[in-house]
Amino acid sequence: GDSVTQMEGPVTLSEEAFLTINCTYTATGYPSLFWYVQYPGEGLQLLLKATKADDKGSNKGFEATYRKETTSFHLEKGSVQVSDSAVYFCALTYNNNDMRFGAGTRLTVKP
Amino acid sequence: DAGVTQSPTHLIKTRGQQVTLRCSPKSGHDTVSWYQQALGQGPQFIFQYYEEEERQRGNFPDRFSGHQFPNYSSELNVNALLLGDSALYLCASSLKSGGRTEAFFGQGTRLTVV
Repeated sequence: GDSVTQMEGPVTLSEEAFLTINCTYTATGYPSLFWYVQYPGEGLQLLLKATKADDKGSNKGFEATYRKETTSFHLEKGSVQVSDSAVYFCALTYNNNDMRFGAGTRLTVKP
Repeated sequence: DAGVTQSPTHLIKTRGQQVTLRCSPKSGHDTVSWYQQALGQGPQFIFQYYEEEERQRGNFPDRFSGHQFPNYSSELNVNALLLGDSALYLCASSLKSGGRTEAFFGQGTRLTVV
């Protein structure tokens, strides 16, 4: 079945470092792809999304491009801040039905 | 707009008991999905409700059941609780006719089974 695999953490970076969190997917069709962020003790917040191949989602300095040829949706940010420390989830879905999530990647940014 | 609201925020139950969790969707949304997130893992899909009927179900036993009301709010019921049911339960709402619009998640209910 459809699934998402994301880079295992934890990831620890210094403030202003470049961030990449890898995400690859397996899908029978053409799903929408998402990155969600979860802060300690909270639910999931949508960070960005892309609904078709070559779309780039972006928000708060984070970016990810839907790459059909490599079945990837890697998350990047040019300069991380301490406030970006959280768990990041890559996910896919067809029309908001059964959403498949990766296992999550914990990011810690140190000052 | 209050977004997706869930209640209660925390709950402690004893093994074998039954529990009911509640969810109010974001204004304008008509579809509610429930997810279980065990500690250190990604959310797992339990089921989805639309037009007061269960439309899709993940790989969860019949001990997990739900309901959707005419105002689109929803309940998740778990019977005969097991220690392994301890998790964060997340509710997500969306608009069925919204196509590729995103789902919005609530803050979750933290269930601890002792």
